[in-house]
Amino acid sequence: QSALTQPASVSGSPGQSITISCTGTSSDVGGYSYVSWYQHHPGKAPKLMIFDVTNRPSGVSNRFSGSKSGNTASLTISGLQAEDEADYYCSSYTSSSTWVFGGGTKLTVL
Amino acid sequence: EVELVESGGGLIQPGGSLRLSCAASGFLVSAGYMSWVRQAPGKGLEWVSVIFRGGVTKSADNVKGRFTISRDSSKNTLYLQMNSLRADDTAVYYCARGNHGDHYFDSWGQGALVTVSS
Repeated sequence: QSALTQPASVSGSPGQSITISCTGTSSDVGGYSYVSWYQHHPGKAPKLMIFDVTNRPSGVSNRFSGSKSGNTASLTISGLQAEDEADYYCSSYTSSSTWVFGGGTKLTVL
Repeated sequence: EVELVESGGGLIQPGGSLRLSCAASGFLVSAGYMSWVRQAPGKGLEWVSVIFRGGVTKSADNVKGRFTISRDSSKNTLYLQMNSLRADDTAVYYCARGNHGDHYFDSWGQGALVTVSS
């Protein structure tokens, strides 16, 4: 199972919006509505931000939103804040009943 | 409150074995599914293995035959037995929880560092 494809880095100024893409195949992203997104600060536990493509867990800001079209999922963060600076990973359930992660995207808030 | 605490990491020589533990509290490890996910230095997250509620296990191709995931319900603990360790197994290993019927990980531990080096 190959890793999902994410941009290595994105950046934005406070208050702006950014979008991180996540491209897979019909065996993972395109085949199921089971894409999730995780925020990871180095040295800490990853945190679930979006599940099942568009859903936010309780306690996650509504500035975070998810979508999917075909084999590509996206995470959008609006109203960027300094605290959003972190690594972001997409993940998808697969046709083999396993999971696959993206390579990760480093978000820099300028 | 859900909590996951990994232990058992350390420095091991290539070809050696190590067992990681993940002690759970606030829920039963047998109620849903549990996975191990790792992050090699400077790399992204990589899914390693899962044990489902019914006991079925799955592993990534690059650890299949070397790593074994298991759980002990009496101790409410998840394990990862790692044999024939290689330098590219060096990583922080996280345990993560998923609820039965879901397809994502809603709680994660802080991780345990495994370093494979001579």
